Amino acid sequence: DAGITQSPRHKVTETGTPVTLRCHQTENHRYMYWYRQDPGHGLRLIHYSYGVKDTDKGEVSDGYSVSRSKTEDFLLTLESATSSQTSVYFCAISKGLAGSGIQETQYFGPGTRLLVL
Amino acid sequence: AQSVAQPEDQVNVAEGNPLTVKCTYSVSGNPYLFWYVQYPNRGLQFLLKYITGDNLVKGSYGFEAEFNKSQTSFHLKKPSALVSDSALYFCAVSGVTGGGNKLTFGTGTQLKVEL
Repeated sequence: DAGITQSPRHKVTETGTPVTLRCHQTENHRYMYWYRQDPGHGLRLIHYSYGVKDTDKGEVSDGYSVSRSKTEDFLLTLESATSSQTSVYFCAISKGLAGSGIQETQYFGPGTRLLVL
Repeated sequence: AQSVAQPEDQVNVAEGNPLTVKCTYSVSGNPYLFWYVQYPNRGLQFLLKYITGDNLVKGSYGFEAEFNKSQTSFHLKKPSALVSDSALYFCAVSGVTGGGNKLTFGTGTQLKVEL
């Protein structure tokens, strides 16, 4: 999985509680992404980062925040979890070697399965 | 806005037969197209991508994809399917963000290869 780890791998939580998911990479890649995967929707981009402290919103960012204080770590926080945030969350990286990066391949972590009761 | 359509939720094929998984796209500007595969309880694995040049792109595990600009399609193909190819396949198109690339995925096609 391209040197990407995600923790935890599984989590069950209750509605209204805060949850933080961690993505860790070992190869100092510039770009990092958070997606969620839901049946019938494929994967949808939540937030992405183009450097330390540089982040921006994706397609489905409501209810989520992110932080990147170190190159290797990208955190996704659900401030107050809701049942609609039950999903599988994937982190991805791209290497940032070529210009704006639009042509670059993204490599995905193993995923975190989150259940909000 | 960019989008991807995978019109088949599931494709069934017999082992040894050729397989095709369909994908059509909509994007302004040049299309950058990707195929990924997902095995159960795993992350997505990159198969191949089209950036420019030859319309037939070869990738991992014997897969290839044919880019057709006039039909805005990027179908995934393999000449001879294996049972081990059974998995969930995603097509994606790339768009520009503030940096890096924003992948827009199709809804996925479940490929089932039977003996």
